[in-house]
Amino acid sequence: NAGVTQTPKFQVLKTGQSMTLQCAQDMNHNSMYWYRQDPGMGLRLIYYSASEGTTDKGEVPNGYNVSRLNKREFSLRLESAAPSQTSVYFCASSEGGGFQPQHFGDGTRLSIL
Amino acid sequence: GEDVEQSLFLSVREGDSSVINCTYTDSSSTYLYWYKQEPGAGLQLLTYIFSNMDMKQDQRLTVLLNKKDKHLSLRIADTQTGDSAIYFCAECPSGGSYIPTFGRGTSLIVHP
Repeated sequence: NAGVTQTPKFQVLKTGQSMTLQCAQDMNHNSMYWYRQDPGMGLRLIYYSASEGTTDKGEVPNGYNVSRLNKREFSLRLESAAPSQTSVYFCASSEGGGFQPQHFGDGTRLSIL
Repeated sequence: GEDVEQSLFLSVREGDSSVINCTYTDSSSTYLYWYKQEPGAGLQLLTYIFSNMDMKQDQRLTVLLNKKDKHLSLRIADTQTGDSAIYFCAECPSGGSYIPTFGRGTSLIVHP
């Protein structure tokens, strides 16, 4: 009964390095989302994928790219990490449409030095 | 655009009731959610209400909706130390992209 699984759970990067955050869901959900959470800022949407094969920008997409690899997996890539991208990143999924709450992973805690 | 506002902190004594407030701005029909985030974890859905409802009760949780003022509240009866967490209010329009807008979260601290 895994739900939404994010890897890694923790990561430290140097400025300019690249990395990919992985997310997978086993609930056969159509929609998937990437958020970042910063103290006092709540959740801010980076990118989302309403359905397999589509991706759209959210509120704060700059510096990030995403790939909806298949229905289960949605990855977030930082091409050239910056200290401003130090944050906790959450992946979520939902059925999509109507009343369909989001199901969240436990987050990836990313520090960029 | 949509905006969801919450107070940032609430401190209560164990056994008392907690009331967490939220205001939203979307004028269309909408779903309104309460999520709970415990330390080191992701958000978990606590309860939800549709904007044509006034109240919803689920065990110790009561959600009240004032549609005129676009004000939503979450009441937790008999608050326990295990209720200490961050509580997020979110609204989601019932049509369109179904992208929810989250408030900044209210940190609930329950002390003995």
